[in-house]
Amino acid sequence: EVQLVQSGAEVKKPGESLKISCKGSGYSFSSSWIGWVRQMPGKGLEWMGIIYPGDSDTRYSPSFQGQVTISADKSISTAYLQWSSLKASDTAMYYCARQTISAAPIDYWGQGTLVTVSS
Amino acid sequence: EIVLTQSPGTLSLSPGERATLSCRASQSVSSSSLAWYQQKPGQAPRLLMYGASSRATGIPDRFSGSGSGTDSTLTISRLEPEDFAVYYCQHYGSSPTFGPGTKVDIK
Repeated sequence: EVQLVQSGAEVKKPGESLKISCKGSGYSFSSSWIGWVRQMPGKGLEWMGIIYPGDSDTRYSPSFQGQVTISADKSISTAYLQWSSLKASDTAMYYCARQTISAAPIDYWGQGTLVTVSS
Repeated sequence: EIVLTQSPGTLSLSPGERATLSCRASQSVSSSSLAWYQQKPGQAPRLLMYGASSRATGIPDRFSGSGSGTDSTLTISRLEPEDFAVYYCQHYGSSPTFGPGTKVDIK
């Protein structure tokens, strides 16, 4: 059974850094793409970017390029989403999501990680 | 980047009724790159349809999809109580984008 298990909720202050994780199991982690989707409170879904753990090929939405960093460690089947300096506007639910190829629908989703940024 | 718009924003219907949800792209898209997702409160989204008209694994046949050019449609033939949710279309080409969603609520 394919599973994506995300790290727990985070509460941070503006300016702090953060790295959240997503561990995949039940499939060949290195051979599928893992992406991240943002959902701000009460709002819709925004595709942020994806990474292919096999060779770390990473692609970002223009809206998120330079704002976050996506990475993966295939040795532990885990993908990451990282911020160097959080803003209040980063407050959102973040989902990791699997795509079998780069141009494919999302067939599996993580449970979501709620990130709250507040002073 | 392709921009998707969905209509209506909210659809108020009763169980047993037919729901028709629309998704329009800012430019022509391949129907093979169009998906629909369902999201219930407090849950992650779930893939319903891909390639505009193919149902994902485990999706009941009351859900159907169609589309060509800039317009795509998700139809729920007879609404069941568990179908009341928010539905998003997505273009999953080279730079994926989601539509803003249509909420289907109980009339």
